[in-house]
Amino acid sequence: SQKIEQNSEALNIQEGKTATLTCNYTNYSPAYLQWYRQDPGRGPVFLLLIRENEKEKRKERLKVTFDTTLKQSLFHITASQPADSATYLCALDNQAGTALIFGKGTTLSVSS
Amino acid sequence: SAVISQKPSRDICQRGTSLTIQCQVDSQVTMMFWYRQQPGQSLTLIATANQGSEATYESGFVIDKFPISRPNLTFSTLTVSNMSPEDSSIYLCSVEDKNRSGNEQFFGPGTRLTVL
Repeated sequence: SQKIEQNSEALNIQEGKTATLTCNYTNYSPAYLQWYRQDPGRGPVFLLLIRENEKEKRKERLKVTFDTTLKQSLFHITASQPADSATYLCALDNQAGTALIFGKGTTLSVSS
Repeated sequence: SAVISQKPSRDICQRGTSLTIQCQVDSQVTMMFWYRQQPGQSLTLIATANQGSEATYESGFVIDKFPISRPNLTFSTLTVSNMSPEDSSIYLCSVEDKNRSGNEQFFGPGTRLTVL
């Protein structure tokens, strides 16, 4: 079955630095990969989607890479701010393409 | 983007009782999804609800425990039946927007359920 791992449960960085979160997957070749942000007590909010034929995608201070050989996606937040503190989830489409499978998430804390 | 509301936002229930969670979307959508997020865990898909057909349940989830209704394109309910403390979790509904660049999902705020 598909397996998704996010590199660490928690990441602490200083304001202004670049945060890099990792998502690895096994036993599968997804057509696309997504990143979501979840704040405490709220549902996840979609951030970015990257397809298997795309190497990189950017949105403002966010950048996502997708390496289908390594079976890995990197999620970068540049010039991080305390407001970026949240849990970030990666998600893949399942093999049937009918639903999403989520990783456990990485909780990012940006200190000023 | 779709705006999704859920009722109730939270509840505390007794063992053996049932709770029905409502999910309302501000636009018509084909597919609605129900997830469970247990403390410290990621989201686990319970079932997919399409209007006009039976819900499709994921492995480990059964209709008798989690009956779902989908009476129209903007509304769905999930019932957690015969609850036990292990059902304490956040339950989220989501919809998929295929009209945008991909298959991103929009989530409701969740229903926090505590079973005593």
